[in-house]
Amino acid sequence: AQKVTQAQTEISVVEKEDVTLDCVYETRDTTYYLFWYKQPPSGELVFLIRRNSFDEQNEISGRYSWNFQKSTSSFNFTITASQVVDSAVYFCALRDTGTASKLTFGTGTRLQVTL
Amino acid sequence: NAGVTQTPKFRILKIGQSMTLQCTQDMNHNYMYWYRQDPGMGLKLIYYSVGAGITDKGEVPNGYNVSRSTTEDFPLRLELAAPSQTSVYFCASSYSQGQVGYTFGSGTRLTVV
Repeated sequence: AQKVTQAQTEISVVEKEDVTLDCVYETRDTTYYLFWYKQPPSGELVFLIRRNSFDEQNEISGRYSWNFQKSTSSFNFTITASQVVDSAVYFCALRDTGTASKLTFGTGTRLQVTL
Repeated sequence: NAGVTQTPKFRILKIGQSMTLQCTQDMNHNYMYWYRQDPGMGLKLIYYSVGAGITDKGEVPNGYNVSRSTTEDFPLRLELAAPSQTSVYFCASSYSQGQVGYTFGSGTRLTVV
């Protein structure tokens, strides 16, 4: 069975600080896909990034960066120079390659960025 | 292109009442899903469908039913509502390829009193 663990329940930072959100996953599949979603206070789910299990190249997109390490089954997300608008719940998710390619979510990390 | 449309956005039910949460997508996705999100928790899969006429249970199916008569529609039925079904419900759709993410609806906030 798939499992995604986000050990950090809530993180509070002051604006302009860097913050890293941790994600550890478990799967028996050799091919799988990892995602990060953002859920702002308005409640919708916003797709941030997708990573394939066979692509360990890390990525930077503006203030966001992702660190995928297959050896430790981790897919961490870093926000550089955080802003108040980054305040949200962030979910890590794992999509399998079985029937219906179901998405398994972690419990989320609530990020609070204050002035 | 509307994406995934869920109705209603909010609903209050009394214990024992029934209702249907509607979900429609216009992207010709073959896969559709229903998730629930309880406070402070991640999303848990209730039911899913890989195509019209095909549905299957997810992680937390008890108290719910679904149908998939068309590619576009995937309604979720709550029979005999209970306080434990108070949650936010998300419908999602996807192509079959795993590397493609889901498209989520905006959610339905349901309170059972």
